Amino acid sequence: AQTVTQSQPEMSVQEAETVTLSCTYDTSESDYYLFWYKQPPSRQMILVIRQEAYKQQNATENRFSVNFQKAAKSFSLKISDSQLGDAAMYFCAYLWGGDDKIIFGKGTRLHILP
Amino acid sequence: GAVVSQHPSWVICKSGTSVKIECRSLDFQATTMFWYRQFPKQSLMLMATSNEGSKATYEQGVEKDKFLINHASLTLSTLTVTSAHPEDSSFYICSARDSGTSDRETQYFGPGTRLLVL
Repeated sequence: AQTVTQSQPEMSVQEAETVTLSCTYDTSESDYYLFWYKQPPSRQMILVIRQEAYKQQNATENRFSVNFQKAAKSFSLKISDSQLGDAAMYFCAYLWGGDDKIIFGKGTRLHILP
Repeated sequence: GAVVSQHPSWVICKSGTSVKIECRSLDFQATTMFWYRQFPKQSLMLMATSNEGSKATYEQGVEKDKFLINHASLTLSTLTVTSAHPEDSSFYICSARDSGTSDRETQYFGPGTRLLVL
């Protein structure tokens, strides 16, 4: 069965600094997608970034980028120039291309220190 | 952008009563919607996949007679918690996939419904 592991329950970073959130996953499939979702205090799930497994190039979205290591089954999120609005719960997620179900990790709570 | 709404945003009910939660795709059609449950400080757990015009598919361990799902139109899915008990208190989130595109991977999430059963 596919699993998603986030080993950092909480992290803190100084405003304007860079932080990396870790995620590993386990799958035997080759066609899949990986996501990072942000859940702020409002609890609205927001898609931060997504990566198709068949793409070698790491996805980037403004201050957010990923380090996708397919062989190692690692998918970390780097947030540059951290802002107070980045404070939230971040969930790493996996979706197999032949299925509908998103599997979420347990999340990492990110605190931004002013 | 694609927007999903949920109603109500929060509800308090007495033990033994039933509560209906609506999930609507506002600007797209969704043949498939998903219902999640999230306990405090925990992750989202998929409860069921809602398919328009057919029966929902429930995840293992989810009581289908307790959590009734109806997906009667391309923009509306409802989750009814029947005979609610305090242990059903949770945050319920729905998501929807835009059936008008070839993008099968993106799910748009609603803002969630907080249920408190007294």
